[in-house]
Formats: sequence, structure tokens, C-alpha cells
Amino acid sequence: EPEVTQTPSHQVTQMGQEVILRCVPISNHLYFYWYRQILGQKVEFLVSFYNNEISEKSEIFDDQFSVERPDGSNFTLKIRSTKLEDSAMYFCASRYGQGPDYGYTFGSGTRLTVV
Amino acid sequence: AQSVTQLDSQVPVFEEAPVELRCNYSSSVSVYLFWYVQYPNQGLQLLLKYLSGSTLVESINGFEAEFNKSQTSFHLRKPSVHISDTAEYFCAVSDLINEKLTFGTGTRLTIIP
Repeated sequence: EPEVTQTPSHQVTQMGQEVILRCVPISNHLYFYWYRQILGQKVEFLVSFYNNEISEKSEIFDDQFSVERPDGSNFTLKIRSTKLEDSAMYFCASRYGQGPDYGYTFGSGTRLTVV
Repeated sequence: AQSVTQLDSQVPVFEEAPVELRCNYSSSVSVYLFWYVQYPNQGLQLLLKYLSGSTLVESINGFEAEFNKSQTSFHLRKPSVHISDTAEYFCAVSDLINEKLTFGTGTRLTIIP
């Protein structure tokens, strides 16, 4: 069964450093998402991406965050200058279409630890 | 805006015993309802969903959930759990328009042999 692949599984970075989280969505999917879960808290929506542009973003997704689909296969989340509170599990997801018949496929997540 | 509450962060259950994982939601509009499961070191996987129609929905591995509109609940149940059910379970809702998922905090189900 096709999978969404996220790398690395765990990333440790120093506060203030830039970090890029990588995702390879399912190849024929058109809609891409990032969610995150701070330890002990809810899984939160960050951003959705379609047709090479952001279609929606949450208030968490400020100017420190950016997303890109640089080569038609990877989908990346960049945090420009990491803060301690960015420590979380970040999930990438993709889906083929919109509507209830098109489910999300999630990756296994990248655990980001900012020290 | 929607919100989801999963009151139980951890639920230990003996093998072959029944289990209920509770989920309540609030929303001013109609929603779709979902249960996702995350097994160790894996991604979130859809377990079951309620879109419309029959309020009782079932998964292929014996879980079921019932949509109760008056109580705004979507509790997950299984009559007899197995060791392989050990995982984290997330309840989620999405509205019918933008379909962005809103999750609860998750419930860690631990099966005791």
C-alpha cells in the first residue's frame, strides 16, 4: 500500500537554527498538509497546500514557517529560526482529492526537539 | 470552529475485556467524525468514519463507534481487545466545507496480558 514517507524520524536542533522537515507524499496525490502535536496536547493543523500554493494556514503558521514542493515529489516544512516551543511531532499528510471519499494518508511523523 | 475532547489520556485494559474510548465534540455546523489509530512508530491510520446515514459505524478489526448527535459524542468501542490493539487512538472532526481535521489529544490504549 502506498505510504507517505517522512524523514528524519527524529531531529534535534539548537534554538535559533533553521530546520527542514521532509515528506514524500503519495505520488498521485494533489493536496498536502502539515500537522503537529506538542507532547500531551492536541494534533493541530498547520497548513494545507495545493497547486503549488498555500490554500489555508493556521495562526500557528507564522512567518517563521514556510512550505515548498521543490521538485514534484518532496514536500518540505521549513522553520527559519527554531524556538523551544517548536518542539513537537510533525505529521505530513496527503490526499488525492477533496470530499469525504478522499481520505488522508499520514506519515509516521518527525519528532523535532529544540534544545 | 470545532473542538474535540478525549477525556481519557490513558486506558489500561485486560486482554479480551471490552473497552470504550470516549470522544465528545463541539461544533456550530455539521461535521464528519473520525477515529484514527497510531501504532508504535507508524503514521496515523484511519480506523473508521461517520459521514452520514447509519449512526453506528464499524471497522474491519472489530471496533465500532456510534454517532450521538444529542450528546455530541462519537465513542469508540470494542467488545474484546487483543494485544495488537495497543496504540494511540485519536478522535477527529472536520466540517463539510474545508475538511480540515481537528483532533483530540489522543487516548493511549494499553492491553494487559
